[in-house]
Amino acid sequence: GAVVSQHPSRVICKSGTSVKIECRSLDFQATTMFWYRQFPKKSLMLMATSNEGSKATYEQGVEKDKFLINHASLTLSTLTVTSAHPEDSSFYICSAGTSGTPSTDTQYFGPGTRLTVL
Amino acid sequence: QQQVKQSPQSLIVQKGGISIINCAYENTAFDYFPWYQQFPGKGPALLIAIRPDVSEKKEGRFTISFNKSAKQFSLHIMDSQPGDSATYFCAASMRGGDYKLSFGAGTTVTVRA
Repeated sequence: GAVVSQHPSRVICKSGTSVKIECRSLDFQATTMFWYRQFPKKSLMLMATSNEGSKATYEQGVEKDKFLINHASLTLSTLTVTSAHPEDSSFYICSAGTSGTPSTDTQYFGPGTRLTVL
Repeated sequence: QQQVKQSPQSLIVQKGGISIINCAYENTAFDYFPWYQQFPGKGPALLIAIRPDVSEKKEGRFTISFNKSAKQFSLHIMDSQPGDSATYFCAASMRGGDYKLSFGAGTTVTVRA
């Protein structure tokens, strides 16, 4: 159980275009979803926290107008990178928090999305 | 500023050996300490987690040791196998903190056959 999926797994786009990444919790309801960015050989950097039905909370330094997050249901959150530029190229990973066993603190991660902006 | 400090940055161990990764934290409000395993190009996978009311937790070949007074916790991988070669992240979170995880910098483990 506790499976999180992401789509697409990798995307290549041209500079200036927008890209949407979906994150779904497949077998549980996620009241809270998190979006991370990871650079090569680095740790995960939290971008924002989203709760179902409310606005996302962005970490300091993350542009909320550039990284639009929507958490429309208990199983789906989306991250849209608007007007993407080469410096937005990265590995984006979502996670979902479950209120079920084993713990309300547990986060389960998706497989990640590799974004390349040309 | 990193709230969880992890060491070493990398380690190499022979097959069958023990891998030990250490983490330290400052915030005494942290009350949940998970370890994640990540393979290249994949998302992190929850390996094992502990709360501060126990000093040790074991799941198969993986053991977490927790020292509340020292504010340190460690992951021991017993009988290391080549398939354990991955990057391991320790993390910490607290209730009332929106369950946000503070991650360590990661440790790349290479198990040589």
